[in-house]
Amino acid sequence: DTGVSQDPRHKITKRGQNVTFRCDPISEHNRLYWYRQTLGQGPEFLTYFQNEAQLEKSRLLSDRFSAERPKGSFSTLEIQRTEQGDSAMYLCASSLILGTGGFTNTEAFFGQGTRLTVV
Amino acid sequence: AQTVTQSQPEMSVQEAETVTLSCTYDTSESDYYLFWYKQPPSRQMILVIRQEAYKQQNATENRFSVNFQKAAKSFSLKISDSQLGDAAMYFCAYRSAYGSEKLVFGKGTKLTVNP
Repeated sequence: DTGVSQDPRHKITKRGQNVTFRCDPISEHNRLYWYRQTLGQGPEFLTYFQNEAQLEKSRLLSDRFSAERPKGSFSTLEIQRTEQGDSAMYLCASSLILGTGGFTNTEAFFGQGTRLTVV
Repeated sequence: AQTVTQSQPEMSVQEAETVTLSCTYDTSESDYYLFWYKQPPSRQMILVIRQEAYKQQNATENRFSVNFQKAAKSFSLKISDSQLGDAAMYFCAYRSAYGSEKLVFGKGTKLTVNP
């Protein structure tokens, strides 16, 4: 296993089109996170899954965004009716959480991201 | 909500010299982690160093060390003997010890290493 992989690496789309990104986490990791990073900013949290359950969504995730992790393995992030403001790097990260909470002291591993340009 | 502030958009250092990147954060929680991540151009973000809030001792990883001041909510990164490969964006990040454990990032500091 070579780490978190994201596909595609780059996507150029016309405004109004739908796009879908894929993230394959490290195989034994049960948590998967999506972040968005715009130019000159740090990554911002979008949503996360524990196994197949989507447990939290940021207010940044508008109704045009949907994420799935159907079998608790890979995840997809779909953006419908893209807008120029959606242009960003979309990062996926995964981690292994043991137990039910408290200090888990785990590390999140990031993929290389998908850079979306909406023209 | 937690916030992370990096007040230095860009820093530069001569090869083999030492540089310190600043980070402050705001939280009302008592249990949390702080991180420094490195993001080289067109490459994935990797963890440089981690600090648990309950530990008084500052974390160290080879040439990287932190100065963690919990009362002041300050978390700076010191890079000693800087190398050309250290050139990257550096992000300070906060993570609660509970809940989703999502990372809250600062805006980053671009580090240039001059030969």
